[in-house]
Amino acid sequence: EAGVAQSPRYKIIEKRQSVAFWCNPISGHATLYWYQQILGQGPKLLIQFQNNGVVDDSQLPKDRFSAERLKGVDSTLKIQPAKLEDSAVYLCASSSNRGTGELFFGEGSRLTVL
Amino acid sequence: AQSVTQPDIHITVSEGASLELRCNYSYGATPYLFWYVQSPGQGLQLLLKYFSGDTLVQGIKGFEAEFKRSQSSFNLRKPSVHWSDAAEYFCAVGANSNYQLIWGAGTKLIIKP
Repeated sequence: EAGVAQSPRYKIIEKRQSVAFWCNPISGHATLYWYQQILGQGPKLLIQFQNNGVVDDSQLPKDRFSAERLKGVDSTLKIQPAKLEDSAVYLCASSSNRGTGELFFGEGSRLTVL
Repeated sequence: AQSVTQPDIHITVSEGASLELRCNYSYGATPYLFWYVQSPGQGLQLLLKYFSGDTLVQGIKGFEAEFKRSQSSFNLRKPSVHWSDAAEYFCAVGANSNYQLIWGAGTKLIIKP
């Protein structure tokens, strides 16, 4: 079974530029999460999708971050314009609807904002 | 408020020695409990989980954890660590009907040769 795929693995941009990250979850997983992980901290949930609907985006900085999952499969997270404090690893995870709460993570996209 | 505390930011253990990583949580009901491991440059991998039943759970790579309700703890143990266990370990609690996880800040495990 293929795991969660993310790209790009690394991205370096200057502040005020834009960036987009892509995630393809495990086949059949209805729930998709985007997390932000700043160095030395645990993951912070940005947004949770159930199929193509948003379950929770309360911690997403909506003035600069956006995310979509148009067909209920893959997802894109965008940052525009980026700030220095957005430097982090952006982790995508997916889970099935079996109610166990187990998340499967991709390898992450490391963003450096200069 | 719901929270997860991992009191140790770093732990250094000699190869072959035993390991215990601490995790305490604050949650009103019986939580779902998880331990994940993150190797350098990698995503998070599930080590083990507790939902109900036997309070001692076995996981991958020889790890186990024990749920102690009276102490609100879910400590991770391994009898003999290997150099490949060097990584960061995160404890998490599944805390609502949306199965969102509340994460600890992580404990970095350093293995001495």
